[in-house]
Amino acid sequence: DAMVIQNPRYQVTQFGKPVTLSCSQTLNHNVMYWYQQKSSQAPKLLFHYYDKDFNNEADTPDNFQSRRPNTSFCFLDIRSPGLGDAAMYLCATSSGDPARETQYFGPGTRLLVL
Amino acid sequence: GEDVEQSLFLSVREGDSSVINCTYTDSSSTYLYWYKQEPGAGLQLLTYIFSNMDMKQDQRLTVLLNKKDKHLSLRIADTQTGDSAIYFCAEKSTGGFKTIFGAGTRLFVKA
Repeated sequence: DAMVIQNPRYQVTQFGKPVTLSCSQTLNHNVMYWYQQKSSQAPKLLFHYYDKDFNNEADTPDNFQSRRPNTSFCFLDIRSPGLGDAAMYLCATSSGDPARETQYFGPGTRLLVL
Repeated sequence: GEDVEQSLFLSVREGDSSVINCTYTDSSSTYLYWYKQEPGAGLQLLTYIFSNMDMKQDQRLTVLLNKKDKHLSLRIADTQTGDSAIYFCAEKSTGGFKTIFGAGTRLFVKA
């Protein structure tokens, strides 16, 4: 089945220790997104890639970076995690076709910062 | 700016209908979505409606859109305990990739 996969499902890191979260997709979608979702809050878009074009949201901290080495994979790098970065991180994809613009989400990675 | 608002909680009895309401501010919204999120899981797309539609029905789900009032609702008929989850309303404008989500409505279904 075509899907969006996130690894790991749970990640524990230490304050200030870099961490990378992974997302892959078998949908062959052009657009990949990373969202941060804190408890009882709406998902907040951090950035997205349209193919290789990176689009950062204006209020995304510099501490958050992303890489998309190919169509299938996208990574979220948190350079120096703080306690406030503990959250669920959701990856999503969409086709990029305005006539079929729905997003498909992965199961998320829950990040804990100690 | 763009904003999507939802009530935070809804409690219904099993077998009753649930109605979850949402308001949005962006008049250029083209796509309006309902997502479901179960504990510890990602968001599952339930249904969506284009802004040129008033209603969409899909099995137990009915979406109503009032463009004049910028009000969207999701009705779940014959609500089951498995419907207990958080439901997110979201909107997106044409041509962009940013989807704005509400804070979510937590639905409790009592047996």
